Amino acid sequence: NAGVTQTPKFQVLKTGQSMTLQCAQDMNHEYMSWYRQDPGMGLRLIHYSVGAGITDQGEVPNGYNVSRSTTEDFPLRLLSAAPSQTSVYFCASTTLGWGNGYTFGSGTRLTVV
Amino acid sequence: DAKTTQPTSMDCAEGRAANLPCNHSTISGNEYVYWYRQIHSQGPQYIIHGLKNNETNEMASLIITEDRKSSTLILPHATLRDTAVYYCIVTASKLTFGTGTRLQVTL
Repeated sequence: NAGVTQTPKFQVLKTGQSMTLQCAQDMNHEYMSWYRQDPGMGLRLIHYSVGAGITDQGEVPNGYNVSRSTTEDFPLRLLSAAPSQTSVYFCASTTLGWGNGYTFGSGTRLTVV
Repeated sequence: DAKTTQPTSMDCAEGRAANLPCNHSTISGNEYVYWYRQIHSQGPQYIIHGLKNNETNEMASLIITEDRKSSTLILPHATLRDTAVYYCIVTASKLTFGTGTRLQVTL
């Protein structure tokens, strides 16, 4: 099992550009989520999904879109990149139900200049 | 989700037990206590979780007080590779990360 795979690992964008961060899992997990982590801070939830076709906003959703067309994939789209979106982005997945541990990807380090 | 309080940093000698405390005095009856760690800039790694009873797995032990208002993560024989930020999270649904405890394991 590959677990949670994130691509790309590094990306530099210019202000105003758009891009999609990819996240795929091969564990048949229903729940997937995106977090961002700024330097010296904990992770903050951006968007999450409890299954294909179902998404919802987290703590910091502005500037980001998500969709969930399959169980395996949960891409995060930056509509018009801003320097404030410079961060490390982590995707995570888990099975639904009480008390299950999350599996995290290795992260995408994004710099917006 | 219940708020958690953890020390900012701790040191531990290699080979000794590392005991990481967490206060969660406002925990609700349906909320679990989770522990994750993040080594350098890697993705967080799940360690252990519990509801009421003490739990043990191959990585660590989790001790939850009887009133559930605090817990302790125990790494029985800390190694240099256990140097990381450890997050205590109390939730019945989504994970919410604070700033955690930075554990430094030294020779």
